[in-house]
Amino acid sequence: AQSVAQPEDQVNVAEGNPLTVKCTYSVSGNPYLFWYVQYPNRGLQFLLKYITGDNLVKGSYGFEAEFNKSQTSFHLKKPSALVSDSALYFCAVRAYGGATNKLIFGTGTLLAVQP
Amino acid sequence: GAGVSQSPSNKVTEKGKDVELRCDPISGHTALYWYRQSLGQGLEFLIYFQGNSAPDKSGLPSDRFSAERTGGSVSTLTIQRTQQEDSAVYLCASSLDAYLAKNIQYFGAGTRLSVL
Repeated sequence: AQSVAQPEDQVNVAEGNPLTVKCTYSVSGNPYLFWYVQYPNRGLQFLLKYITGDNLVKGSYGFEAEFNKSQTSFHLKKPSALVSDSALYFCAVRAYGGATNKLIFGTGTLLAVQP
Repeated sequence: GAGVSQSPSNKVTEKGKDVELRCDPISGHTALYWYRQSLGQGLEFLIYFQGNSAPDKSGLPSDRFSAERTGGSVSTLTIQRTQQEDSAVYLCASSLDAYLAKNIQYFGAGTRLSVL
């Protein structure tokens, strides 16, 4: 069965410092991975995806993610955090098998950036 | 439209009442998905449509939940005889189609359902 794990419920970082939000996955076959961000009382906004190709994927708002097949990880990173990056971040993997294209989400990581 | 539109944004109902939640996908998107976000369960898949057909209904939690899509556009999620455990944010998403894994799902702002 496919699954996604986000081991940290919350990540705290000071503004200007680099940030990392961790994600590991378990799939049979090639993984299709996504990061979404959710601001309060808003829906999910797409940040970036990995389908194939370069292991370092660049996305919106200066975020990037590194796909590591041997560690089955897809960590979200940003070189310099902003207070406005504070939000809930979700990692997701596309489900395989059967007639489905659903996303399986991790439990989310709350990012808090202190000024 | 410019994005996925959901209505109402908030819905308060009494236990036992039926509710309908509406989703209007991005124009031209043939795939539409419903998810539920709750404190205890996180983000969980409910059902998706390709056109007007629903190939995967596996996430619907009970037979009180149903969804339809007409004209390949607007979808309605209906919850009959609502229970307090149905309280959650119901999110709708759409994508160009459901076949290509690279197609991004774009989400609406959700409907927050509160069952008293």
